[in-house]
Amino acid sequence: GAVVSQHPSRVICKSGTSVKIECRSLDFQATTMFWYRQFPKKSLMLMATSNEGSKATYEQGVEKDKFLINHASLTLSTLTVTSAHPEDSSFYICSVSGGAGNQPQHFGDGTRLSIL
Amino acid sequence: QQQVKQSPQSLIVQKGGISIINCAYENTAFDYFPWYQQFPGKGPALLIAIRPDVSEKKEGRFTISFNKSAKQFSLHIMDSQPGDSATYFCAASNNGGSQGNLIFGKGTKLSVKP
Repeated sequence: GAVVSQHPSRVICKSGTSVKIECRSLDFQATTMFWYRQFPKKSLMLMATSNEGSKATYEQGVEKDKFLINHASLTLSTLTVTSAHPEDSSFYICSVSGGAGNQPQHFGDGTRLSIL
Repeated sequence: QQQVKQSPQSLIVQKGGISIINCAYENTAFDYFPWYQQFPGKGPALLIAIRPDVSEKKEGRFTISFNKSAKQFSLHIMDSQPGDSATYFCAASNNGGSQGNLIFGKGTKLSVKP
């Protein structure tokens, strides 16, 4: 069964809108969650590492004020794309890590964001 | 700098054939090498993974071959089936891939012809 639930699966909205994407760990408490971005026919690029109860760590070139991450509980992390513009259109994917030993990352099914 | 180089970019194989995808890495601190399978509109799913203390790992039709000295690893799909048609990503990380960041290759689009 699914380990990670990501919602919504697809969203289409107008430019200037803020969009929130949820990532839920279903099977275990995820101390760490990762947010990736994937352009069509391209690889996954890590945007940020979300740690429960602390500030997210952003990769170089990712605007933290543009992509707000909240990891308020051990089962939920949210990514909010603020004032979205067409260039923010992409496939956003989260992954969760149990953190206990060398546990592999489990990925959600992604969110297709289209900004008109 | 591309830390994980994957080839080929696309691959067409006949049903029943062997699909081979190769990856090379630079960082000798990497200690975890997973392969992910991604279908269109879905997130990547872990297929098989290997650590540098072994040279080969097999799970069903899927085999990873690992060459530590050459800093290369490859995925072999035996008896390839049309249902295997997907994009495959190799990745690498240190710290077992859980707390560490996964560095992905650029992906290989595999098409298995019936």
